[in-house]
Amino acid sequence: GAGVSQSPRYKVAKRGQDVALRCDPISGHVSLFWYQQALGQGPEFLTYFQNEAQLDKSGLPSDRFFAERPEGSVSTLKIQRTQQEDSAVYLCASSSQRGGELFFGEGSRLTVL
Amino acid sequence: DQQVKQNSPSLSVQEGRISILNCDYTNSMFDYFLWYKKYPAEGPTFLISISSIKDKNEDGRFTVFLNKSAKHLSLHIVPSQPGDSAVYFCAASGTSGTYKYIFGTGTRLKVLA
Repeated sequence: GAGVSQSPRYKVAKRGQDVALRCDPISGHVSLFWYQQALGQGPEFLTYFQNEAQLDKSGLPSDRFFAERPEGSVSTLKIQRTQQEDSAVYLCASSSQRGGELFFGEGSRLTVL
Repeated sequence: DQQVKQNSPSLSVQEGRISILNCDYTNSMFDYFLWYKKYPAEGPTFLISISSIKDKNEDGRFTVFLNKSAKHLSLHIVPSQPGDSAVYFCAASGTSGTYKYIFGTGTRLKVLA
């Protein structure tokens, strides 16, 4: 597709459930970022991939959060044993080069009940 | 500690007048700055960027000014239009390491017709 595609757009999970959020970046973009945006806040960095290598995961809030990009294109952010504080919009962004402009998807809104 | 700050959560401006959105940063290693615009239920979209080797960058109605000594940047929109009503985020990055972008908390701009 022409832009960054994320799915699902909306996810409601019961506390303790595992969720998986998918990101399909712009074709050919080597850099991929995941951000978490809580209500009324700016996007907070979670993790960064260059191709299939996860070069920075310093923003992942706990070991319940896991991200992968096994073939250097599609990425999945997995949250295990979800908690209410995980409720947020999860944004994926890709870039054609290191340090270039980020192109964002529409986000996946996660609500944990 | 917030490395990128947008101290005005909201701003209202009359159509046709100038909108000035401000952003401050604390990390002297930041050398690349971007502004993003976000409509509800959409991902942020790139507006304009500036490298630290410049103090001004202009693109149509949008101009970004950078004052490195004050660690301050601003986005000017002239003339403001009702379609500019959105949340604006500034973001900063350093050219070493991850190139991860650190975002401010955003300023909601409302342009009154």
